[in-house]
Amino acid sequence: DSGVTQTPKHLITATGQRVTLRCSPRSGDLSVYWYQQSLDQGLQFLIQYYNGEERAKGNILERFSAQQFPDLHSELNLSSLELGDSALYFCASSVLSGTRGNTIYFGEGSWLTVV
Amino acid sequence: GQQLNQSPQSMFIQEGEDVSMNCTSSSIFNTWLWYKQDPGEGPVLLIALYKAGELTSNGRLTAQFGTTRKDSFLNISASIPSDVGIYFCAGQGGNQFYFGTGTSLTVIP
Repeated sequence: DSGVTQTPKHLITATGQRVTLRCSPRSGDLSVYWYQQSLDQGLQFLIQYYNGEERAKGNILERFSAQQFPDLHSELNLSSLELGDSALYFCASSVLSGTRGNTIYFGEGSWLTVV
Repeated sequence: GQQLNQSPQSMFIQEGEDVSMNCTSSSIFNTWLWYKQDPGEGPVLLIALYKAGELTSNGRLTAQFGTTRKDSFLNISASIPSDVGIYFCAGQGGNQFYFGTGTSLTVIP
């Protein structure tokens, strides 16, 4: 158990709909990262938050947005869903941003299927 | 974003054989990490390396932080069927973690 909690584990939704994925980081971790992994693909970085503020953006679509709340949990919002958005979405957390000796831990993922 | 060069892309080995894989980068990293991912699950941290030249073991797994800080190696000794999965390397530079494309390992009993 990495200590990173993601919900829901699985969801199926129709095209055009909107979903919210939730992540609770490890206790003490200030930084949250979101990744997308399509079938047989690597991890695609979407976005990073540190202590409530957006720190870095990767290949995140405009239809997607995220935020980190004061209690440090984070939500990834996916809207106007398309078939190609079907993927595993991972949340990960780390203690500090940009420091030596940092380690990143992953949740078990949210498996999104768009039909 | 930056992706690390990880090789080999896939390996098919006999049970009991040793395995080696590596990652290289054009950038210097402060940290190198190795993960294993089973299908449909999240990557699980195997080994973390924090200093150039560092050699760290975790059971049958041994990883090294390259002296140039641009590469890392993972070795698995005496492979067993449960070693099957995808192994990812990751390097930390600044705020970001950059991931390799993965090595798919198949162990034939």
